[in-house]
Amino acid sequence: ETVLTQSPTTTAASPGEKVTITCRASSSVSYMHWYQQKSGASPKLWIYDTSKLASGVPNRFSGSGSGTSYSLIISSIESEDAATYYCQQKSSDPLTFGSGTKLEIK
Amino acid sequence: EVQLQESGPGLVKPSQSLSLTCSVTGYSITSNYWGWIRKFPGNKMEWMGYISYSGSTSYNPSLKSRISITRDTSKNQFFLQLNSVTTEDTATYYCARLRRGWELDYWGQGVMVTVSS
Repeated sequence: ETVLTQSPTTTAASPGEKVTITCRASSSVSYMHWYQQKSGASPKLWIYDTSKLASGVPNRFSGSGSGTSYSLIISSIESEDAATYYCQQKSSDPLTFGSGTKLEIK
Repeated sequence: EVQLQESGPGLVKPSQSLSLTCSVTGYSITSNYWGWIRKFPGNKMEWMGYISYSGSTSYNPSLKSRISITRDTSKNQFFLQLNSVTTEDTATYYCARLRRGWELDYWGQGVMVTVSS
């Protein structure tokens, strides 16, 4: 099983700041997907195929990476970005999720 | 618009079976793959398995002996059965649609299931 480790576990940023969330895989994967989950809601597909924004996702979000290291980057945080973000892979079975990164807004 | 909705009991006794239904509207389950995911208290997410457009299934090896995913195409529903549950199966259960790249693009609202006597 490919274990995905996200860092940081929790982070807090002020509006306008840049935030980077990292997802490290225990073995090489071909691509990474990312989800945003707000409290009380179901996860939403946020970034797919490493760098493609899902429908409706603001372009202050971006994704990058390869091999065992992937990142979700928010160029300029807004209050609505407060949520938990998860990475996910399926290059190898079974499909696995990261441990989650909770983003708080100061 | 594609919509998924989970339904089922919110409380199950230990050693019994957990049975959930995912009702899909706006899209046929005879296309794409359809999966079950659960989120434990403390935020860990676990992939449980899927049923394909043709009815074939694949399960997480960690659950393989206890899980079954089936479907009723006439009702556009698919189902999760998890046998011999323990308190460790307490979680919020989601159904979702998988796209070609194995990303989950539509999710149900989730149903919280507690395993307790």
